[in-house]
Amino acid sequence: DGGITQSPKYLFRKEGQNVTLSCEQNLNHDAMYWYRQDPGQGLRLIYYSQIVNDFQKGDIAEGYSVSREKKESFPLTVTSAQKNPTAYYLCARSRTRDKAFFGQGTRLTVV
Amino acid sequence: DAKTTQPPSMDCAEGRAANLPCNHSTISGNEYVYWYRQIHSQGPQYIIHGLKNNETNEMASLIITEDRKSSTLILPHATLRDTAVYYCIVNSGNTPLVFGKGTRLSVIA
Repeated sequence: DGGITQSPKYLFRKEGQNVTLSCEQNLNHDAMYWYRQDPGQGLRLIYYSQIVNDFQKGDIAEGYSVSREKKESFPLTVTSAQKNPTAYYLCARSRTRDKAFFGQGTRLTVV
Repeated sequence: DAKTTQPPSMDCAEGRAANLPCNHSTISGNEYVYWYRQIHSQGPQYIIHGLKNNETNEMASLIITEDRKSSTLILPHATLRDTAVYYCIVNSGNTPLVFGKGTRLSVIA
């Protein structure tokens, strides 16, 4: 798994419900990232964190929230304010100035 | 916006070398060229990166032009398992990766 675990792999939610996606890493890397991917498109950055208790918005942060209370964990909450939440969500980790390693992703479907 | 330009798709015969081009004419002096690939329904996988010298590892070779405005990823003996979307990204290492649409490589038997 490249030292990074996302769960669950598939997730279904009803419209209007908040949902939290898990991302855990076991290699003590400082930086963690959340990306969203829609069919046929590249990845777009939602949020990233380079240190515990600090995070920055990416290009499409509206309707999402994150926390970084521990170095190994960076959960993403998809809120009811996100207008088109159905997508493939990818989490990544990296050391400073080093390559990134991605998890296997969570496919969220909102019905 | 992505700072690289890649062809949307390419085909390659199995066993032949796959040469994937990338233009990055606005690259800065401190930015590296990274290549990742994404096999269907999986997260992106790191392949190789370089600053100005050519690089080779067990997966691929990276050729960067002297002016650093373009590069080529070479898969020396493509197999069916190399069918994927390949992303070329320029990054200083201090900021998150910015992905474009990449090149969809199809390896044909």
